[in-house]
Amino acid sequence: GQSLEQPSEVTAVEGAIVQINCTYQTSGFYGLSWYQQHDGGAPTFLSYNGLDGLEETGRFSSFLSRSDSYGYLLLQELQMKDSASYFCAVRDPDTGRRALTFGSGTRLQVQP
Amino acid sequence: EAGVTQFPSHSVIEKGQTVTLRCDPISGHDNLYWYRRVMGKEIKFLLHFVKESKQDESGMPNNRFLAERTGGTYSTLKVQPAELEDSGVYFCASSPVTAYGYTFGSGTRLTVV
Repeated sequence: GQSLEQPSEVTAVEGAIVQINCTYQTSGFYGLSWYQQHDGGAPTFLSYNGLDGLEETGRFSSFLSRSDSYGYLLLQELQMKDSASYFCAVRDPDTGRRALTFGSGTRLQVQP
Repeated sequence: EAGVTQFPSHSVIEKGQTVTLRCDPISGHDNLYWYRRVMGKEIKFLLHFVKESKQDESGMPNNRFLAERTGGTYSTLKVQPAELEDSGVYFCASSPVTAYGYTFGSGTRLTVV
């Protein structure tokens, strides 16, 4: 089985930097993904880390440490529109399975 | 490029009734997935199609749920008969063969009363 843990809520102010952590327990590992979901909207793919290190895409970065079973999503220069839920997800390592297991999501509230 | 389209966006039905959800994936995406989120909990996998074939249906909760993907294009998910615990948001997603990320639809919010 697989499980992921992430904080349920995070609050930050506009212009600040926020880090959303994700720890996972899996029988194997096939990469950590991050998705953003605004209320009532579709989850949107943000990033994927298959190897250790930092991946940067604009204001968003994602980090992975496989030895620590840990990753995080870093959001810089926060904007009001970044208020949303953020989910980390891992793919089942079993051959042929592409199903993702998601964490429960972190609700980010950006305040003025 | 058109995104993943789901219909209806909302559905309210009575316990015991039947509901059919539809998903139109991005054209050319062989992989199609169904997920659902119940009561604000984590998004849970239901099943995975590759073209018209069910690759993995290990997440389907019981035999009241039936998914099809005719001709490898759109997919339907039928719940018959619906129970109260089936309420939630049902998401469809699609991806090309080699992509890491999925494209999700906006979901169908199902309420069983």
